[in-house]
Amino acid sequence: EAQVTQNPRYLITVTGKKLTVTCSQNMNHEYMSWYRQDPGLGLRQIYYSMNVEVTDKGDVPEGYKVSRKEKRNFPLILESPSPNQTSLYFCASSLSKGLAGGYEQFFGPGTRLTVL
Amino acid sequence: AQKVTQAQTEISVVEKEDVTLDCVYETRDTTYYLFWYKQPPSGELVFLIRRNSFDEQNEISGRYSWNFQKSTSSFNFTITASQVVDSAVYFCALSEAGYSSASKIIFGSGTRLSIRP
Repeated sequence: EAQVTQNPRYLITVTGKKLTVTCSQNMNHEYMSWYRQDPGLGLRQIYYSMNVEVTDKGDVPEGYKVSRKEKRNFPLILESPSPNQTSLYFCASSLSKGLAGGYEQFFGPGTRLTVL
Repeated sequence: AQKVTQAQTEISVVEKEDVTLDCVYETRDTTYYLFWYKQPPSGELVFLIRRNSFDEQNEISGRYSWNFQKSTSSFNFTITASQVVDSAVYFCALSEAGYSSASKIIFGSGTRLSIRP
């Protein structure tokens, strides 16, 4: 089954404790992206990756890191989480968003993160 | 800069009424893509439609229809004869094509649609 998986689905942590949210897709998609969803703000893009070893900042990258060492995986790293990073996080993937244009994204189920 | 505005924060209608969700976008690119996604109460995000900037034909899919007007930079979504299952948050999104521009994808803030039985 074609899907995007995220782990964990729920996480409660404390300020400053490093954490990683994993994201994996089995559709051989080049483009992967992380979003956070907050009430009244919709989805805001944190980081995206056009392909392996190619990543770039979205609109709200502060406090986050990503890596793309393999095509299927795109982990989101919070080196020192703070309460303002409490949010619902979505990973997504799609075919290449390059010159061929935009393709619809397939979203993971979401990770609800609470930072105390 | 890219921007997507969904001015309607919440809409509530009675079942079987028609309802239109507005989406207004800003972009300097001539080639771009517009999307609608649905987020039902269960929380997942579901793709509904994609439209590129060169295709202004309106589209109909069952009870759903989309009206793309470049002259007003709008990509509105209409549900005809709404049903309770249409209750969800709906997001409009904009993506610019080409490597020259940032490969960002911008979402609107969403419209929460409630269909009352």
